[in-house]
Amino acid sequence: EAGVAQSPRYKIIEKRQSVAFWCNPISGHATLYWYQQILGQGPKLLIQFQNNGVVDDSQLPKDRFSAERLKGVDSTLKIQPAKLEDSAVYLCASSTIPGTAVTLDTQYFGPGTRLTVL
Amino acid sequence: SQQGEEDPQALSIQEGENATMNCSYKTSINNLQWYRQNSGRGLVHLILIRSNEREKHSGRLRVTLDTSKKSSSLLITASRAADTASYFCATDAGGYSSASKIIFGSGTRLSIRP
Repeated sequence: EAGVAQSPRYKIIEKRQSVAFWCNPISGHATLYWYQQILGQGPKLLIQFQNNGVVDDSQLPKDRFSAERLKGVDSTLKIQPAKLEDSAVYLCASSTIPGTAVTLDTQYFGPGTRLTVL
Repeated sequence: SQQGEEDPQALSIQEGENATMNCSYKTSINNLQWYRQNSGRGLVHLILIRSNEREKHSGRLRVTLDTSKKSSSLLITASRAADTASYFCATDAGGYSSASKIIFGSGTRLSIRP
C-alpha cells in the first residue's frame, strides 16, 4: 500500500515570496491533516479536512495560509507571503475517520516538506 | 499552547536498558497516542490507548494511562540502537460532530548508546 506522498521535499524561498505544498493521502482515507513542525517542537495542527470539507482550521494563520482539498483527495497548502517564522517542516497526514466519528484515529504521515525562508 | 508535555525532554541510555518517558496533558481526552519520529522523517504511529483503558502492550512497548493524574507513560524494554528517535504523545481533546482537537506534545529525544 502506498503511503502519504508529499512534494517538494525541500524548498528555500525569500521572505514575502509565495510557496505551495502538495499532499496525496493514502487511497480511501477520508481525513487529511496539515501540520507545522518547528525545529525542536511537536507538530502543530494547521488544518483538518474530512473529505473536501474543513472540520478544524482554528490554528491556521488565515491572513497568509490557505489550504484546499478539491474532490476530497489530494490537497495543497499555500503560504503567501512567507515570513521568516514560517521556516519549518510541513507534514501531511491522513486517516480513515468516517464522517461522524469524534475520536482521534491512527494517522499516517508523509515525509514532510522542509521549508526555509531567508 | 501545547496540551501534552513530555518528560524528560532528552534521555540517553545504554543499549539493552529500559527507557521510560512521560506525557502530561491538561484537559479531558478521548484517547492518547504515541508516535515516533526518526531524524528527518515523518512520524510513525506506535500505540493508541483509550480513556477507559489503563494499560496496553505492543511488542517491547508498554503504555499506561492515568486519567485522574492526566498523564501517560511509554516504556520501551530492552532498547536497541534503532529506537533512537523523538517520541511524541498526541491527545484528542474531544470535540463535536466530526471535529477533534488534536494536540501533540513537545517530544522526548531518546538516544541509545551502543
